[in-house]
Amino acid sequence: DAMVIQNPRYQVTQFGKPVTLSCSQTLNHNVMYWYQQKSSQAPKLLFHYYDKDFNNEADTPDNFQSRRPNTSFCFLDIRSPGLGDAAMYLCATSRDRGLAYEQYFGPGTRLTVT
Amino acid sequence: AQSVTQLGSHVSVSEGALVLLRCNYSSSVPPYLFWYVQYPNQGLQLLLKYTSAATLVKGINGFEAEFKKSETSFHLTKPSAHMSDAAEYFCAVSGTASKLTFGTGTRLQVTL
Repeated sequence: DAMVIQNPRYQVTQFGKPVTLSCSQTLNHNVMYWYQQKSSQAPKLLFHYYDKDFNNEADTPDNFQSRRPNTSFCFLDIRSPGLGDAAMYLCATSRDRGLAYEQYFGPGTRLTVT
Repeated sequence: AQSVTQLGSHVSVSEGALVLLRCNYSSSVPPYLFWYVQYPNQGLQLLLKYTSAATLVKGINGFEAEFKKSETSFHLTKPSAHMSDAAEYFCAVSGTASKLTFGTGTRLQVTL
C-alpha cells in the first residue's frame, strides 16, 4: 500500500543534542509537510516543500531545519532541542498544491527531550 | 484568512447513540473543508472532505458531514457510535499551498 512512513516512532534525545527525524513516502506526492503537535493541541505547521522549493512558516524557530534530498524523503533537523520541543512530529504529503488536495499523514514520531 | 472553530473540546456519548461534532468555519473564499481523526499515538486519518461538489459528504467508518453555507458550519455526524470511534477529531480548512488550518480538536468518548 502507498503510504507515509516515519522513523523512528519514538525518539529520546538530550537537551541541546541535535536530532533528525525521517519521513518517506511511496505516494509520489509533490508536497511534503512537517507539523509539530503538542499534547491536546492541534498540529502546527512548521514548513513544507513543494518539490524542491522550501517554504518556512513565519513563526517557525530557526532551531528547526528541513531537507528534502529527493521526492521520497524529507528530514526534520532540530539543531539544539529544548524541553519545549518535546512533542509529536507529524509528516504529511499532498499530491499537489491547491485547495482541494487532502493531506496524507504518517504515524508520527514522538520526541522526548531529557 | 481562514479559520475553524470546534465547539466542545470533549464529547461523551453512549454506544449506539448519535455522534454530533460541531465545526464552524470562517473563510473569505469558498472553503474546502476536511475532517480528520486521530487515534492515540497515531497520525491523522482523513474521514471526509467537502470540495463543493455536494453539500452532504459521506466518509469512512459511517461518518458524514453537511456543509451549510448559511450557518458557516460543517458538522460531523454518525448515527450510531461504536467503541472504536473513541478518538480525537479535527476539523480543518484548506488555504494557499494546500496548507491546513486546524480547529482545536474534539475528543470523543464512547461509553457502554
